[in-house]
Amino acid sequence: QVQLQESGPALVKPSETLSLTCTVSGDSTSRDNWSWIRQPPGKGMEWLGYVYGRGTADYNPSLKSRVTMSLDTSKNQFSLKLNSVTTADTAMYYCARLISYGKFDCWGQGTLVTVSS
Amino acid sequence: QSALTQPASVSGYPGQSITIPCTGTSSDIGTYNYVSWYQHHPGKAPKLILYEVTNRPSGVSYRFSGSKSANTASLTISGLQAEDEADYYCNSYISSDTYVLFGGGTKLTVL
Repeated sequence: QVQLQESGPALVKPSETLSLTCTVSGDSTSRDNWSWIRQPPGKGMEWLGYVYGRGTADYNPSLKSRVTMSLDTSKNQFSLKLNSVTTADTAMYYCARLISYGKFDCWGQGTLVTVSS
Repeated sequence: QSALTQPASVSGYPGQSITIPCTGTSSDIGTYNYVSWYQHHPGKAPKLILYEVTNRPSGVSYRFSGSKSANTASLTISGLQAEDEADYYCNSYISSDTYVLFGGGTKLTVL
C-alpha cells in the first residue's frame, strides 16, 4: 500500500521560501511521477507541477518562476520549494503520485502552510 | 486558464441518486477523455474514485459512475449513504503546460 506524508514548516514569512518534503512508502520515487497540489482556504485545488526520473520537473506556468521540485531517491522523498511567498500562497499543500493524464491515485493528507509575518 | 466549474453544494437523502456536474471548455473536457474525480473527507487524503471519465479504480464502489457530454463531465452517486458525505473534486488533463485543471469542489450533504 502506497502512502505519502507531507512535512515542513507550518508558518512562513512573506518574501521567504516555502519548503516541503513528501516521504513515500510502498513505492520508489525513482519510478512514477510525483506531484504537488495546493488548495487555498475556501478555494479549489491548483496543480503546482511534478517531478520524475532523475529529477526532471514540469511546472504550472503560473508559478514557474518561483517553484522548484526535486527528488531524493536515497531517502524516497521529493520536495517542493516556492520562493518569494505572499499571503496568497497560504494553502493546504498535498503531495500525490501522478499516474497519467491528471490521474492522481495516491495522496498525502496535506499540510497547512500559512504565510504571515 | 480558469478552473473547472462545479456547484458549491449538492444534497440528497439516503438511497437517492445525485449528480455533480463539472463544466470545462472545448480545450479540456470537450477534447480529452481524461477526467478524474476525487472524494475528500476533511482531514484525510483525497481518494481517486473515477478516472478517464468512467473508470473506477479497484475497490471503489459501483455506486460511483461517470459520464461526459460535450464540455461537461458528471459524477453520479447512486444509493446515497451517510459515508458518501464529503467534498468531491473533478480534474481534467489539458494539452498546454498547465497540464491539469481542477474544479472548485462540491460539498455533498447526505440529509
